[in-house]
Amino acid sequence: NAGVTQTPKFRILKIGQSMTLQCTQDMNHNYMYWYRQDPGMGLKLIYYSVGAGITDKGEVPNGYNVSRSTTEDFPLRLELAAPSQTSVYFCASSYKGASGYTFGSGTRLTVV
Amino acid sequence: GIQVEQSPPDLILQEGANSTLRCNFSDSVNNLQWFHQNPWGQLINLFYIPSGTKQNGRLSATTVATERYSLLYISSSQTTDSGVYFCAVESRYSSASKIIFGSGTRLSIRP
Repeated sequence: NAGVTQTPKFRILKIGQSMTLQCTQDMNHNYMYWYRQDPGMGLKLIYYSVGAGITDKGEVPNGYNVSRSTTEDFPLRLELAAPSQTSVYFCASSYKGASGYTFGSGTRLTVV
Repeated sequence: GIQVEQSPPDLILQEGANSTLRCNFSDSVNNLQWFHQNPWGQLINLFYIPSGTKQNGRLSATTVATERYSLLYISSSQTTDSGVYFCAVESRYSSASKIIFGSGTRLSIRP
């Protein structure tokens, strides 16, 4: 039981490049979330999903896209990376909505 | 949307001291959670506590939903308690189970 697994752990992107942050969970959780954490700040919700095939925007969705084709996987896509997207990205999952989150270890992304 | 305020923003204590962290929220909530982010960035769920009191070892938490606040108590602090403590809430009026985070309390425990 690995919990929530995020890859990669670190990445440097050039302005305008694209990439996909991977997130997978093996707990059969129906809810999954993507957050970003800027230095010294709390977490901001980017996108979330309540089940396969269902996604919705959070507080800061601009510049990102998601998909949820399976219960296990919830990838986050960055198109045309910008310096403002330099942050640490966390994926989380839960079984009964927000009743108990499990977080991945994070992806530290730098856009230069 | 719902606002979450945590205080104090920073707290420096000697090992063995006790501390109280506060979380105020601006609207009714379905649930509230406390998280610890250790110095390596890992987020650990401490308590799921929409109301009432819970205890886990040296940590305990109390949420008074009617007065819109929650408290996290840490007794006999250890250096491993250092890190940032986040309060996160789900608004009762949220269209889905989204939790909103406060800005955190940074706790530093000196040996």
